[in-house]
Amino acid sequence: EAGVAQSPRYKIIEKRQSVAFWCNPISGHATLYWYQQILGQGPKLLIQFQNNGVVDDSQLPKDRFSAERLKGVDSTLKIQPAKLEDSAVYLCASIFLGGPTGELFFGEGSRLTVL
Amino acid sequence: DAKTTQPTSMDCAEGRAANLPCNHSTISGNEYVYWYRQIHSQGPQYIIHGLKNNETNEMASLIITEDRKSSTLILPHATLRDTAVYYCIVRSSGSGNTGKLIFGQGTTLQVKP
Repeated sequence: EAGVAQSPRYKIIEKRQSVAFWCNPISGHATLYWYQQILGQGPKLLIQFQNNGVVDDSQLPKDRFSAERLKGVDSTLKIQPAKLEDSAVYLCASIFLGGPTGELFFGEGSRLTVL
Repeated sequence: DAKTTQPTSMDCAEGRAANLPCNHSTISGNEYVYWYRQIHSQGPQYIIHGLKNNETNEMASLIITEDRKSSTLILPHATLRDTAVYYCIVRSSGSGNTGKLIFGQGTTLQVKP
């Protein structure tokens, strides 16, 4: 079974530039999550989708971050304009139904460096 | 979801059992204990989860105290490849739960030759 795919793996940009990350979850997984992991910290949830609808985006800095999952499969996370503090690994995860006991599968992440 | 407390770091000798503790004193009756680990430059990986009873799988064992206020993850024969950050997470099974995981700082386990 193919895992969660993410791209790009690495991205370096200047502050105030924009960047987009892409995630392809495991086939059939209805629920998709984006996490931000700053160096030395645990992952922090940014947004959760159930199919193409947003379930929880309470931790998403909406003035600069946006995410979409138009057809309920792939998802894109965008940052515009980027700040230095956005330097982090952005992790995508998916789960079959988003139920209380299911296992989340994570991608390898996209590492962003903002200069 | 209940918060968890874990030691920041631990060492273990290769081939010995690694016992990683976790306190979750405010856990409620419908909350599960989950363990994930994150090897350097990879995404977190599921290890095991439990509600009340002890659990074992091919990766590890999970021992939950009777009052459910703490648990221990046991890696029976640690190898160098088990060097990672281990996260203990409490997750609600109640209605409306969206399945999300709230991560803390975790325990950095260093397995030494």
